[in-house]
Amino acid sequence: SAVISQKPSRDICQRGTSLTIQCQVDSQVTMMFWYRQQPGQSLTLIATANQGSEATYESGFVIDKFPISRPNLTFSTLTVSNMSPEDSSIYLCSAEASYNEQFFGPGTRLTVL
Amino acid sequence: GENVEQHPSTLSVQEGDSAVIKCTYSDSASNYFPWYKQELGKRPQLIIDIRSNVGEKKDQRIAVTLNKTAKHFSLHITETQPEDSAVYFCAARYNFNKFYFGSGTKLNVKP
Repeated sequence: SAVISQKPSRDICQRGTSLTIQCQVDSQVTMMFWYRQQPGQSLTLIATANQGSEATYESGFVIDKFPISRPNLTFSTLTVSNMSPEDSSIYLCSAEASYNEQFFGPGTRLTVL
Repeated sequence: GENVEQHPSTLSVQEGDSAVIKCTYSDSASNYFPWYKQELGKRPQLIIDIRSNVGEKKDQRIAVTLNKTAKHFSLHITETQPEDSAVYFCAARYNFNKFYFGSGTKLNVKP
């Protein structure tokens, strides 16, 4: 398994500002993912972050709004840019450990006023 | 891409009864099917998974079955306990790439 931590755990931000979420894994992993989860909803994949290449974004998500960095095999960041109240959600990172298994971080609860 | 459908959306059982949650997927190239349990305010936790070369897998009170021909897989929980109450998500992994999640099942185990 993989142990994943995220920072911050929660934040309240003003409209128009940006927030960077950090995700740290306790071991080297090839694939990391960023999800958004609205209360009572399923997980929506934002992008796949691979080390050494640009992130791959899902339909409806763009790099200008959600820039992602993946500087090494244990770390990734997601920035939510120019935030609006519609960006209020829980953001989760995950990593693929061995044998396809995917493990999640604890999530970042974002509220945009 | 893949499409995963999950049923039911809510499930209420009496403690000690069994619970079954079903998922279907669309792409025969999907080869890995995990199940996650998410308690309120917590991260999704992997509880069991199955690969496409296996028909059934069991871990204590939890089992998963896979029917590749029909493209569906199911989670079975026996002897349910109140601590089993949570939201359960199925997922399918397509082509060693990303995961597609079902819409979730809220399981309520009544004591």
